[in-house]
Amino acid sequence: GIQVEQSPPDLILQEGANSTLRCNFSDSVNNLQWFHQNPWGQLINLFYIPSGTKQNGRLSATTVATERYSLLYISSSQTTDSGVYFCAVGRDGGSQGNLIFGKGTKLSVKP
Amino acid sequence: GAGVSQSPRYKVTKRGQDVALRCDPISGHVSLYWYRQALGQGPEFLTYFNYEAQQDKSGLPNDRFSAERPEGSISTLTIQRTEQRDSAMYRCASSPMDTEAFFGQGTRLTVV
Repeated sequence: GIQVEQSPPDLILQEGANSTLRCNFSDSVNNLQWFHQNPWGQLINLFYIPSGTKQNGRLSATTVATERYSLLYISSSQTTDSGVYFCAVGRDGGSQGNLIFGKGTKLSVKP
Repeated sequence: GAGVSQSPRYKVTKRGQDVALRCDPISGHVSLYWYRQALGQGPEFLTYFNYEAQQDKSGLPNDRFSAERPEGSISTLTIQRTEQRDSAMYRCASSPMDTEAFFGQGTRLTVV
């Protein structure tokens, strides 16, 4: 099956710093989503981005489907950005909702 | 509703008991998905529905697990004869039609 690898596994930042999270996947996809799991366990949608670039405030994401990777950029990080960031993909030819999740990047933002 | 609603939020049950987990999707969403998330891991796909039809149940771990969505809206995930290894966060998601998925807050199941 399709493999999803996220890096780095852990990241510690000082408040105000910028960061880039990476997601590599091993096959063609028809869906790619980024989620933030906050410390209370809620899984929050950040981006639906099977290709292209999107921005939402301090966050932006880029997916280069032909090269099988996606990047999530966090600028001017805040303590509320702490949590686990998951990349999830839907295999091309399969159901878009059958998402394969990576192991996540655990982000800690220090004040 | 405004978001995907799951109940109960927390469930503690004794080994061997049956449990039923409920999911109320976002109004108008055609597709509904169930996932299971172990501590420290990402969610893993269990099954999904379009309307009332179960399209894919390849992720259900064994025949103790079943799901239904009889009227194409609310769904129930049932685990029979629970075992300690069933302890996990069970997450439901919905989407307009097999596109971007939105997750509920999950049900934390603990089997003692």
